Amino acid sequence: EIVLTQSPGTLSLSPGERATLSCRASQSVSSSYLAWYQQIPGQAPRLLIYGASRRATGIPDRFSGSGSGTDFTLTISRLEAEDFAVYYCQHYGSSLYTFGQGTKLEIK
Amino acid sequence: QVQLQQWGAGLLKPSETLSLTCAVYGGSFSGYYWSWIRQPPGKGLEWIGEINHSGSTNYNPSLKSRVTISVDTSKKQFFLKVRPVTAADTAVYYCARGRIDGYYPLDFWGQGALVTVSS
Repeated sequence: EIVLTQSPGTLSLSPGERATLSCRASQSVSSSYLAWYQQIPGQAPRLLIYGASRRATGIPDRFSGSGSGTDFTLTISRLEAEDFAVYYCQHYGSSLYTFGQGTKLEIK
Repeated sequence: QVQLQQWGAGLLKPSETLSLTCAVYGGSFSGYYWSWIRQPPGKGLEWIGEINHSGSTNYNPSLKSRVTISVDTSKKQFFLKVRPVTAADTAVYYCARGRIDGYYPLDFWGQGALVTVSS
């Protein structure tokens, strides 16, 4: 089973700054199976990125995903107030979805 | 636009059975796998399992012995049962649309349903 480790656990930044969130897999995975989600407290997760770098429908272009093998990154180029939330990476493989433990992005 | 609406009992006692329903509105039902995911209070996301329109299922090995996912394609609904429940099953439960033909993300989610297990 693939284990996803996200870092940092909490990221404190100000609006307008750039955010870089990391997701490391315990073994090499196909980019096709890697996704990122945003969860605002009290709401269901929202798909941001799939296939490691493809933006889901309606997602602003300030969100981008990159990476391959074991290391993947979600970048938010210029933080807006509504971006402060918890972010999860997720992998699908061997008929199983697994999630990272999440990174909380908070206002500094 | 695809919408998922879920419902079920919110308060259970230990040893009872958790039962949730997820109805799909809009979009195609066939071809996709449909998932259940849960989130204990203040914690992260845990995938429970998935089913497709023909009833083919996959489960998280950590929950497989207590979970049953079923489907009613005619109503575009799928169901979750967990038995017997303990306090550790207290969580918000989500349903979501999953994979199809090389496309793997969970792209549409239900609103979530809080299930509390307490004596």
